[in-house]
Amino acid sequence: NAGVTQTPKFQVLKTGQSMTLQCAQDMNHNSMYWYRQDPGMGLRLIYYSASEGTTDKGEVPNGYNVSRLNKREFSLRLESAAPSQTSVYFCASTPTRDSRAFFGQGTRLTVV
Amino acid sequence: ELKVEQNPLFLSMQEGKNYTIYCNYSTTSDRLYWYRQDPGKSLESLFVLLSNGAVKQEGRLMASLDTKARLSTLHITAAVHDLSATYFCAVDGTGGGADGLTFGKGTHLIIQP
Repeated sequence: NAGVTQTPKFQVLKTGQSMTLQCAQDMNHNSMYWYRQDPGMGLRLIYYSASEGTTDKGEVPNGYNVSRLNKREFSLRLESAAPSQTSVYFCASTPTRDSRAFFGQGTRLTVV
Repeated sequence: ELKVEQNPLFLSMQEGKNYTIYCNYSTTSDRLYWYRQDPGKSLESLFVLLSNGAVKQEGRLMASLDTKARLSTLHITAAVHDLSATYFCAVDGTGGGADGLTFGKGTHLIIQP
């Protein structure tokens, strides 16, 4: 019963470095999402994918790119990391739009 | 812009007491979600409220939805220490036609013995 799995769990990057956050779900869900959580704030949507092969911008997409590799996997890429991207990143999936979202354990990213 | 406002943002209460967390939102959405987050952990789904007047209860927690008032409440009955956590409400959509959820800032709840 893995659910939503994110890797890595922790990462420290230097400004300007790039990296990809991985997310995979084994529940056969159609929709997948990337959120970021900053202290004192709720989660904010970065990108989402309503189905395999489609991706769309959320509330805070600048500085990020995504790939929906297949139905299971949805990756988030930072091409040139900035300190403002220091955050906890959560991947989530849902079977349908009005279903509850299942969240991964999060990736704690620090950009120095 | 879609806004979701929770209050209070911080709540310290004693075991055995009752309290209510409020969630106001600016959209006409009739779907609202409550999540719980423990420190350093992921989000756990508590309730999904899908229509006006919906009421869901589990243990000492009860959630309700009034879509006309654009208000949801999370009521805690006879609080126990294990309920200490941060509670988020969220509504469908992000204000620009996008999918996904818009979250409130969360209510940090501490229940003291």
